[in-house]
Amino acid sequence: KAGVTQTPRYLIKTRGQQVTLSCSPISGHRSVSWYQQTPGQGLQFLFEYFSETQRNKGNFPGRFSGRQFSNSRSEMNVSTLELGDSALYLCASSLASLTSGKVEQYFGPGTRLTVT
Amino acid sequence: GENVEQHPSTLSVQEGDSAVIKCTYSDSASNYFPWYKQELGKGPQLIIDIRSNVGEKKDQRIAVTLNKTAKHFSLHITETQPEDSAVYFCAVRGAQGGKLIFGQGTELSVKP
Repeated sequence: KAGVTQTPRYLIKTRGQQVTLSCSPISGHRSVSWYQQTPGQGLQFLFEYFSETQRNKGNFPGRFSGRQFSNSRSEMNVSTLELGDSALYLCASSLASLTSGKVEQYFGPGTRLTVT
Repeated sequence: GENVEQHPSTLSVQEGDSAVIKCTYSDSASNYFPWYKQELGKGPQLIIDIRSNVGEKKDQRIAVTLNKTAKHFSLHITETQPEDSAVYFCAVRGAQGGKLIFGQGTELSVKP
């Protein structure tokens, strides 16, 4: 069974641009969560999508958004990029929504975003 | 909101020794406690988890213990090997559900 895949793996953007990252969950998984990982702040929850609906959202500005498609694939978008958005963006999938009891999450390798 | 403290931030042991990493949390209603291992250039890998109705869980050389009264849980790795070297994260899922709150991570180094 294939794991969580994320594309692209590396990305370099300049301030003010926008970026879209993609995540394909494990086959059969319907929940996709996004996390930002930085040396200073660690792993921080961005949002979770389940059955194309956002179920929960972390404390990030509105420049960070996401969506999920009917095949459970998910994208996240960051508009008006800032230097502080440089981070490893991780996607995690699970069988059910994090609001349920079965919450084992499996992470992809991440997308390394560098903003210059 | 939920707060998770993880200690130590770095840990160096000799091959064959045991390693213990401890996390404390603030929300007494938290009910799910996973541990992740992250190797360089990779995403976090779920290695073991425990739910609030269980006090201890083992999987070969890895064990997790939970003390709900004291609001802390620990990862125990026995007979450490160089390939155990990585960053380990604890996490907590609150009773409200919806997201995992992670500790700051422990960089474990196992010296041969």
